[in-house]
Amino acid sequence: QKEVEQNSGPLSVPEGAIASLNCTYSDRVSQSFFWYRQYSGKSPELIMSIYSNGDKEDGRFTAQLNKASQYVSLLIRDSQPSDSATYLCAVNPGTGRRALTFGSGTRLQVQP
Amino acid sequence: DVKVTQSSRYLVKRTGEKVFLECVQDMDHENMFWYRQDPGLGLRLIYFSYDVKMKEKGDIPEGYSVSREKKERFSLILESASTNQTSMYLCASTISEAGELFFGEGSRLTVL
Repeated sequence: QKEVEQNSGPLSVPEGAIASLNCTYSDRVSQSFFWYRQYSGKSPELIMSIYSNGDKEDGRFTAQLNKASQYVSLLIRDSQPSDSATYLCAVNPGTGRRALTFGSGTRLQVQP
Repeated sequence: DVKVTQSSRYLVKRTGEKVFLECVQDMDHENMFWYRQDPGLGLRLIYFSYDVKMKEKGDIPEGYSVSREKKERFSLILESASTNQTSMYLCASTISEAGELFFGEGSRLTVL
């Protein structure tokens, strides 16, 4: 089992819809969680971080964390074609390892 | 703004050559990382460093070494390049283990 799993997609949504991206992780003691966006040919950039159970909103983005079920999700409201990118989920294990573990990413396509 | 600079954006090397990938950050970050990114595999951690002259192996250290002689600089070395090391290499830094990773623009290496 991979430590951080994401559906590779592509996830295709129409412009203006809500895009829902999901991520599960295997290490129960993981403490911090991140969503990165990566445009084709570019390096990843952070869009959200979340550390405690519940929802965290930032503009059109909402991160949701459920530690009991070991999943973290990202919702993008009013999706725009400019949101088309690969979204990477990253998890910090919290103990021992001092580096983020990344999922393989979900490719999102927003259709105009 | 944090700036992570990778010295070479594109490199083409021959099998058996020694390859140096340089990374410099300007925000006095303690922690620096080297990842490689391949289609379908996401970002995989090669090595990281949490202090000058300190290094730790990541998930795929074989065939690589690193050097951190100064806080701002973290070098990745391929002692004898092989074709399976053709990849995108991403350097990143962070001020704390649980914090946001700042990425460089990436170095795309092709080994012929």
